[in-house]
Amino acid sequence: GEQVEQRPPHLSVREGDSAFITCTYTDPNSYYFFWYKQEPGASLQLLMKVFSSTEINEGQGFTVLLNKKDKRLSLNLTAAHPGDSAAYFCAVSEGDSNYQLIWGSGTKLIIKP
Amino acid sequence: DMKVTQMPRYLIKRMGENVLLECGQDMSHETMYWYRQDPGLGLQLIYISYDVDSNSEGDIPKGYRVSRKKREHFSLILDSAKTNQTSVYFCASSFRLGGGQDTQYFGPGTRLLVL
Repeated sequence: GEQVEQRPPHLSVREGDSAFITCTYTDPNSYYFFWYKQEPGASLQLLMKVFSSTEINEGQGFTVLLNKKDKRLSLNLTAAHPGDSAAYFCAVSEGDSNYQLIWGSGTKLIIKP
Repeated sequence: DMKVTQMPRYLIKRMGENVLLECGQDMSHETMYWYRQDPGLGLQLIYISYDVDSNSEGDIPKGYRVSRKKREHFSLILDSAKTNQTSVYFCASSFRLGGGQDTQYFGPGTRLLVL
């Protein structure tokens, strides 16, 4: 079945710099992808849902890139600020077979002043 | 306002005691999930429920059971809790839109400590 690998597990960047998180997946038929943000001590909040037909997805202060050829999903936080300090998780849908998501192991991002 | 609630938020139990974690949602979502999250790790799926009395094991069901008697309510039960079940438990729910596009909405979590 689908496997998802997320890198790096820990990331520290200075305020104003960019932060880049990547997930690679194995099933070329995967076509829905999710990024979630989890602030310290809090629950998971959906950051963005991405469809396989869209390679570049712009959010507020971040961009999500989908490279289907390389089976890579990336989250790029531009001009990071302290509010971006959180854990970020990617998730990949296996399709409508069982409604489960395959989760990455997470990236703990720290924004330094 | 779409919401997933969990009760209790914090719980301390002794080894061997029974534990009941409750989850509710007000969005009429068909599908509900229970996950656990250990420190520094991602989410592990314990059980998934497709609707009332339609439950399926996830990746780590051993030591857990679930109950869903109403669409808006999903319970996780630990019979005779063990210390290695100390964790943060998250409930989530989603519409069954099909095609794998279902967005999961998470509750605030329950922090369980088993002594």
